[in-house]
Amino acid sequence: DGGITQSPKYLFRKEGQNVTLSCEQNLNHDAMYWYRQDPGQGLRLIYYSQIVNDFQKGDIAEGYSVSREKKESFPLTVTSAQKNPTAFYLCASSLDSYNEQFFGPGTRLTVL
Amino acid sequence: QKEVEQNSGPLSVPEGAIASLNCTYSDRVSQSFFWYRQYSGKSPELIMSIYSNGDKEDGRFTAQLNKASQYVSLLIRDSQPSDSATYLCAFGSGNTGKLIFGQGTTLQVKP
Repeated sequence: DGGITQSPKYLFRKEGQNVTLSCEQNLNHDAMYWYRQDPGQGLRLIYYSQIVNDFQKGDIAEGYSVSREKKESFPLTVTSAQKNPTAFYLCASSLDSYNEQFFGPGTRLTVL
Repeated sequence: QKEVEQNSGPLSVPEGAIASLNCTYSDRVSQSFFWYRQYSGKSPELIMSIYSNGDKEDGRFTAQLNKASQYVSLLIRDSQPSDSATYLCAFGSGNTGKLIFGQGTTLQVKP
């Protein structure tokens, strides 16, 4: 069954903690993306990767970090430097950078 | 000027009517355009892709692209209450490898 999985579905973080959100795809897609969505808002790009071992900052990269060591995996770390991390985090992938993107189910992060 | 403009709505239509959603964009070199549907609390789902001028039909959905006027629209025929969602338009940003998303239009289909 091909698709994109994200875990966990819900995540609670105490202030000052780093947390890592998982994103895995078995679609053999080259490109992967992380977005943040706040209530009633559109999608904002955090980081994206067009190929293994390479990634670029998006529009709101401050306070976040990523790695792309394997084609199928693109984990996102929300660091303590991110001032307001409570949001819905969406991972997406596409065959290459110019094709349609497909989204995972998302992770809802809440800072306590 | 915003890169993508969508009316946030809500757009309210009666069941069975045609819903028309519009989007304008600023990037003249963009070649790829997409419509996504997002139900409340869920992730976006791709419903239409369009790459050339004109109409593209898929079931009850028709996407229309006019590159000269820089707009793309989505028509939903025979609207159903299950079509009630937020619809996001997106376009490929030149050679950056990114998609630029609009803020979304909320559609309400009333029985």
